[in-house]
Amino acid sequence: DAKTTQPPSMDCAEGRAANLPCNHSTISGNEYVYWYRQIHSQGPQYIIHGLKNNETNEMASLIITEDRKSSTLILPHATLRDTAVYYCIAAGGGSEKLVFGKGTKLTVNP
Amino acid sequence: DGGITQSPKYLFRKEGQNVTLSCEQNLNHDAMYWYRQDPGQGLRLIYYSQIVNDFQKGDIAEGYSVSREKKESFPLTVTSAQKNPTAFYLCASRYGYGTEAFFGQGTRLTVV
Repeated sequence: DAKTTQPPSMDCAEGRAANLPCNHSTISGNEYVYWYRQIHSQGPQYIIHGLKNNETNEMASLIITEDRKSSTLILPHATLRDTAVYYCIAAGGGSEKLVFGKGTKLTVNP
Repeated sequence: DGGITQSPKYLFRKEGQNVTLSCEQNLNHDAMYWYRQDPGQGLRLIYYSQIVNDFQKGDIAEGYSVSREKKESFPLTVTSAQKNPTAFYLCASRYGYGTEAFFGQGTRLTVV
């Protein structure tokens, strides 16, 4: 699995868009990019994933660069309940292995 | 009601004892995973299984053992060889390549 790099922490104002970056410069062609978040002391929650194209669902949007070496998770209107640790994972490539990094702690401020 | 269930939520054991953590899923998922999380840290992969009767070591398998005799179940045994077993343990499952994983709510193990 490709290694991912995320900033350790970010802040966002309530109601504004939160843009969380992820670098995965060694990603292979058949590895997906997944995003999860974890609110304190709970199991991680799936947010979104994609391979090449940008994706959008009811929670967020995922923007993947054309060279696939980085991506951005966008929470369009952040709320206080979006305060969590966000994990970006690159996985696939013939193995079912899912390896989490340290993630980004997002704090949404009122 | 489909999902992935971990039990118990809290578990206390004396040092030197083996303990088995339960993980059951009724989602018909092929792949299952065990992670360990220490305070303020990310998730570290202990073991994973892609199919029944097969499993692979993750990054921190020493002191742990697993079995996958049924598709629905992937129990984790924390043995006395694990030097620092006190942690939050998370189980996950998914169909396989290109699909998202679902997590249980975790078991918090305390060894005294």
